[in-house]
Order: sequence, then structure tokens, then C-alpha cells
Amino acid sequence: GIQVEQSPPDLILQEGANSTLRCNFSDSVNNLQWFHQNPWGQLINLFYIPSGTKQNGRLSATTVATERYSLLYISSSQTTDSGVYFCAVEEVWYKLSFGAGTTVTVRA
Amino acid sequence: NAGVTQTPKFQVLKTGQSMTLQCAQDMNHNSMYWYRQDPGMGLRLIYYSASEGTTDKGEVPNGYNVSRLNKREFSLRLESAAPSQTSVYFCASSEATGGKPGYTFGSGTRLTVV
Repeated sequence: GIQVEQSPPDLILQEGANSTLRCNFSDSVNNLQWFHQNPWGQLINLFYIPSGTKQNGRLSATTVATERYSLLYISSSQTTDSGVYFCAVEEVWYKLSFGAGTTVTVRA
Repeated sequence: NAGVTQTPKFQVLKTGQSMTLQCAQDMNHNSMYWYRQDPGMGLRLIYYSASEGTTDKGEVPNGYNVSRLNKREFSLRLESAAPSQTSVYFCASSEATGGKPGYTFGSGTRLTVV
């Protein structure tokens, strides 16, 4: 099956800092999504981004499908950004494969 | 405005006991899924139901069964629980056609098998 690798595994930020999270995948995909899991365990869909660039407030994402990677940018980080960020790809319909996640801790 | 509702939120089972995790969605989504999340890992797909009346195995189906009761409800059953099934279980739903955005997850069931 498809391999999804996320880096870095852990990230500690000072409030107000910017950061970039990376997702590499081993094969062509139909779909790529970014999720945020908050400290209480709730998973929220951030972006559906099989290619191109999207922005949502302080978050933006870019996927370069031909080179098999995606980037998630967090600007002006806030403590509420803490949690685990997952990249998930859909190689075949209905089957999302998740990376192991990047744990982000934003300190006040 | 509930989205995806899972019950129970917490459960402790003894090895060999059985139980059913319930999931219901109110978004009229055709597709529903069960995932498990283990420490330090991403979510892994157990079973999915692309539409009412169909179910298929995911990446880690052994030890589980599912039932798509109707369009709204998708249950996961552990017939004989094992300690290796200690995990957090998430139900999710999405639009019918693969590739559309909008996966919505429930809040999870934390299961411990002793």
C-alpha cells in the first residue's frame, strides 16, 4: 500500500512563530487531506487539497502532486493550534491512509 | 447539528467479552467508516461502507464485524475482545463519491481490554 511520511514528528513553537509541516507520499493519489486532532481527541478536516494551494485564515496548504508531497503552513501560531496534524491520502476511493502525524505544541 | 455521534465514549472490557460500538450521522452522507488509532500512529481503516447495503474490509479488519443498519447508522462489533484491540475507535462519514471533501469524524470511543 501507499506510504505516507510526515515530518517533523514533533514541533515546539513559541506563540507567534511560523512553521511548515511536510507530508511525503509514495505513489499517485486521488485525494489528499490535512486534519487537526485537538488535545481532546477531536479530528477536524482542515484542507482537501489533491493539488495546488489553499488558504484558510492563518493556515495554508500546498500539494505538488507530481513530486508527491504536501506542505501545511501555520503562520502566527496560537496556543489553540496545539495538537496533532495528520496528512491522509486516498490512493483508491474510500480508503484514506494516514501518516503518523506531527505533534505541535505552541507555548504562550 | 450533531454530525457524527459515537457511543459509548469509554468502555472497559474483559478479554473474551463482546460489545458493539454504535455510530450515527445526520448529514445524509452515503459513505461511513470505522478507524482505530493507536499511540504514536495515524488512524488505520478497519471497515468501510461505501453506500447503504455494502461493507468492505479496510487495512485491519481481523477481529471485527460491521453492520450498515441503514443510511444513518454503522456499527462495529467485537465478538471476542483481545488486549490488542485496546485503542481509540473513530467513526467517520463522507460524501458518496471518493475524492469529495468533507470527511467528518465522531469524537471517538476509548476502549480498554484487560
